[in-house]
Amino acid sequence: SAVISQKPSRDICQRGTSLTIQCQVDSQVTMMFWYRQQPGQSLTLIATANQGSEATYESGFVIDKFPISRPNLTFSTLTVSNMSPEDSSIYLCSVRWVNTEAFFGQGTRLTVV
Amino acid sequence: EDQVTQSPEALRLQEGESSSLNCSYTVSGLRGLFWYRQDPGKGPEFLFTLYSAGEEKEKERLKATLTKKESFLHITAPKPEDSATYLCAVQAGVTQGGSEKLVFGKGTKLTVNP
Repeated sequence: SAVISQKPSRDICQRGTSLTIQCQVDSQVTMMFWYRQQPGQSLTLIATANQGSEATYESGFVIDKFPISRPNLTFSTLTVSNMSPEDSSIYLCSVRWVNTEAFFGQGTRLTVV
Repeated sequence: EDQVTQSPEALRLQEGESSSLNCSYTVSGLRGLFWYRQDPGKGPEFLFTLYSAGEEKEKERLKATLTKKESFLHITAPKPEDSATYLCAVQAGVTQGGSEKLVFGKGTKLTVNP
């Protein structure tokens, strides 16, 4: 298992600004992911955070909007850039090892006004 | 396209009233089905993994079962503390990064009244 600390837990931001979300894991992990959970919708994978290299984005998500860093095997950040009200959502950090279940942080509830 | 559908969207039970949640899936090559519990303001918490049809897993008042097309989460004699959203996910396909991909359903919001 893993203990995942995600911060901030919530924020209210002005449109046009950016927010960086941090994810710290208590052990080295193979795979780190960022998900979005919009109201009434399923968790949607944004990207895989790759250690020491550029993140790999799923269809519909781009680096300019959601830049991701992963400087080591225990830490990653997700930035939501140039925010609009449509970006209001819960953002979740997740980790996995090969053939294991996924573990999640507590999420960041973002409201853009 | 891989799909996961959960039903019902919401379920209200009285304490002690047993019921089941459904997760039906359409995937090419299922490599695992996962159940999670999510409380308000928190991330999903892992409950069970099922890999093959006929498999069953139990934990306290919860029992998960798997067939070739769907999974059920049976809740026996639920208590108010079982109130949460229950998410189902299937491991199928790969991410753009080449790792195993999880596809989630929208969840079933369970409320257990005392």
